[in-house]
Amino acid sequence: DTAVSQTPKYLVTQMGNDKSIKCEQNLGHDTMYWYKQDSKKFLKIMFSYNNKELIINETVPNRFSPKSPDKAHLNLHINSLELGDSAVYFCASSPGTRDTGELFFGEGSRLTVL
Amino acid sequence: RKEVEQDPGPFNVPEGATVAFNCTYSNSASQSFFWYRQDCRKEPKLLMSVYSSGNEDGRFTAQLNRASQYISLLIRDSKLSDSATYLCVVNPFTGNQFYFGTGTSLTVIP
Repeated sequence: DTAVSQTPKYLVTQMGNDKSIKCEQNLGHDTMYWYKQDSKKFLKIMFSYNNKELIINETVPNRFSPKSPDKAHLNLHINSLELGDSAVYFCASSPGTRDTGELFFGEGSRLTVL
Repeated sequence: RKEVEQDPGPFNVPEGATVAFNCTYSNSASQSFFWYRQDCRKEPKLLMSVYSSGNEDGRFTAQLNRASQYISLLIRDSKLSDSATYLCVVNPFTGNQFYFGTGTSLTVIP
């Protein structure tokens, strides 16, 4: 059973399109995240939700909109895709804001914008 | 200044060698520390947590120096399977945000 699963794994699309990536965790964690890993392999946090509430919103363009329908799901919608959005997007979860436990990652969604 | 800094390497070592990675963090109030391992085209996975007194897991030893804001990972008797990128991770415990270093690339050569 995959603990953190995200779909799709691969996404190739044209500039200007809108796309979504979905994430689900079955660990019962309260906190979920989106991270972006660029071509230089640096992992940068984008958003964090705790029990459906946005708690971290790093400097990310408004074209990126996360949505958490419940604490087990955190989706990422991207409008008007740009070349610079090409990266691997990782979803992750952790037990909660009052717990400094480890992060569990999904397998990543590799986005290529042409 | 970045929250977490590490030497990106690459480190190329022969099998059986001992290799050490270092990492510094900027927030002196940081609460928890980890080493993650990331294989090529895979997700990061926890290698070990880092405790104040230092801790060991088989061939891996992690150390924390709060005064110098410095974390280290020592790998003894390197195996080919240790080839990966090692990520230093710090949780400042403000909003439960995990900060990642840029990673250190290790290749173990036969």
